[in-house]
Amino acid sequence: DAGVIQSPRHEVTEMGQEVTLRCKPISGHNSLFWYRQTMMRGLELLIYFNNNVPIDDSGMPEDRFSAKMPNASFSTLKIQPSEPRDSAVYFCASSLRASGRAADTQYFGPGTRLTVL
Amino acid sequence: KNEVEQSPQNLTAQEGEFITINCSYSVGISALHWLQQHPGGGIVSLFMLSSGKKKHGRLIATINIQEKHSSLHITASHPRDSAVYICAVRGGAGSYQLTFGKGTKLSVIP
Repeated sequence: DAGVIQSPRHEVTEMGQEVTLRCKPISGHNSLFWYRQTMMRGLELLIYFNNNVPIDDSGMPEDRFSAKMPNASFSTLKIQPSEPRDSAVYFCASSLRASGRAADTQYFGPGTRLTVL
Repeated sequence: KNEVEQSPQNLTAQEGEFITINCSYSVGISALHWLQQHPGGGIVSLFMLSSGKKKHGRLIATINIQEKHSSLHITASHPRDSAVYICAVRGGAGSYQLTFGKGTKLSVIP
């Protein structure tokens, strides 16, 4: 398996522009997570999907952020309009959440390094 | 909200040394994860444990549920072990959310 795939790996954009980050989870996984990593705050959960349905989006900073998962093999995270404070590394992770299991391993993608000028 | 503290924040070791990284948390959990983030940025899950001890090669992870504490040990450290090690905890049964520590940056010098 190719693992979790994210694109682009690097994105440099100007303030006010729309940014779309993409993620392809591991085939067969039913849970998908978007995280943001900054020097100041470390890793933070933005949104969690289970079976393509958003379960928890309480970590999404504000209305400028939106995420979709139209099918089991694709998700997007969109920022519109982007601001310099959105500069961070955005990770997508997937896991197989089976009922009755106490916990499951998350597999991380390589991340997208976003710089907003 | 669980508070996850890691120590030390930075660690420099000579090749071959035995290394210990600590993680403590404030609220009971269902599982604890140790992650490794390479200098290039990629994150790999090393261990997931809810009790006792796990070993993989030169890496050993232990957890003490009563004391709300976990340790990651690296025996015979090597420069390729240089990375940031992140502790993450999962809440009670059925919880999906991970709370992350700030990480420990390890540098192993030849």
